[in-house]
Amino acid sequence: DTGVSQNPRHKITKRGQNVTFRCDPISEHNRLYWYRQTLGQGPEFLTYFQNEAQLEKSRLLSDRFSAERPKGSFSTLEIQRTEQGDSAMYLCASSTTGAPEQYFGPGTRLTVT
Amino acid sequence: AQSVTQLGSHVSVSEGALVLLRCNYSSSVPPYLFWYVQYPNQGLQLLLKYTTGATLVKGINGFEAEFKKSETSFHLTKPSAHMSDAAEYFCAVNPRAGGTSYGKLTFGQGTILTVHP
Repeated sequence: DTGVSQNPRHKITKRGQNVTFRCDPISEHNRLYWYRQTLGQGPEFLTYFQNEAQLEKSRLLSDRFSAERPKGSFSTLEIQRTEQGDSAMYLCASSTTGAPEQYFGPGTRLTVT
Repeated sequence: AQSVTQLGSHVSVSEGALVLLRCNYSSSVPPYLFWYVQYPNQGLQLLLKYTTGATLVKGINGFEAEFKKSETSFHLTKPSAHMSDAAEYFCAVNPRAGGTSYGKLTFGQGTILTVHP
């Protein structure tokens, strides 16, 4: 069990640029989640997948955000035309179907300048 | 809608003292309950969970939590604090319906635990 991995760990970008993050879940987990955490706050849910299907999206996920999980394994989260308000830690988690606990990766810290 | 309240954004204890971090939830049906720990610039690590059965659950690093339905609480305790316990702790809930879990976790605001020598 290698755990959930995320790349890159840190990303600094200029406002208006596009960024993409990758998450590799625990290998036997078919559910994958994205959360966003800003300083001093708990993580907030963005979206989740069961296998390839995106089952729920938060209203926090504006049109500039898109997530994919094309083969039911790794997932990508893309943010287009980044804004300073997008600066946050983006966390990925995975779980098995019907198991309520989720296992988190180390996160990608995005800084938009 | 589910909500989680953690009383006290900062808790400070001396090494060897009791740790008590408070968590209350709001839900019509008792949810699945979790405590996670986060060290600086890292992801969240699962400390313990309550799903069913015994209401006192034990986790890693000597932590335990008790589910009290009547109080809608799930407070985290540790009898004797260690310097390495200094971190931020999050209480989280996952709603249950018909015995299956839903996707998203709802987190509290977090409690930063400081341990003094």
